[in-house]
Amino acid sequence: DSGVTQTPKHLITATGQRVTLRCSPRSGDLSVYWYQQSLDQGLQFLIQYYNGEERAKGNILERFSAQQFPDLHSELNLSSLELGDSALYFCASSVGTSGRETQYFGPGTRLLVL
Amino acid sequence: GENVEQHPSTLSVQEGDSAVIKCTYSDSASNYFPWYKQELGKRPQLIIDIRSNVGEKKDQRIAVTLNKTAKHFSLHITETQPEDSAVYFCAADSNYQLIWGAGTKLIIKP
Repeated sequence: DSGVTQTPKHLITATGQRVTLRCSPRSGDLSVYWYQQSLDQGLQFLIQYYNGEERAKGNILERFSAQQFPDLHSELNLSSLELGDSALYFCASSVGTSGRETQYFGPGTRLLVL
Repeated sequence: GENVEQHPSTLSVQEGDSAVIKCTYSDSASNYFPWYKQELGKRPQLIIDIRSNVGEKKDQRIAVTLNKTAKHFSLHITETQPEDSAVYFCAADSNYQLIWGAGTKLIIKP
């Protein structure tokens, strides 16, 4: 157990809908990262937050947005969902934001868009 | 932008043999090189990392080597066992982020 929690574990929804994925980082970690992993694919970095502020952006679609709240939990919002958005979404956390700390991953949220 | 290339994409080895996975990176300022293991259906987990002031690091059957001049680093697994079957990801830091390799699926044949 990494100490990073994600809810829900599974999510099934329809095209055009909007969903929210939630992540709670390890105690003491200030950075939260979101990744998308499609079937048999690598880890696609979406976005990073550090202590409530957006720190880095990867290949995140305009239909996707995220935020980190004062208690440091983070939410990833996915809207106007398409079939291709079906994937495993991981959240990870780390202590700082240097890029040189261990990232601890949550168990992931498996999203299926029908 | 900066990138990390990882090879091979799939590696099949006989149980007990060694496995080597190689990565090259583009940012000469990179100083931190972690390796993550992702078992089927599980989360990625750090297995070993190396920083640029060290050329090699070992942890039991796992070792990582770094050649900063050539900008490449490798993961070595000796005496492979069935539980080593997984996808392995390398990464390198660049501009306060981790840049990830595409992953290597390691298959251990009995």
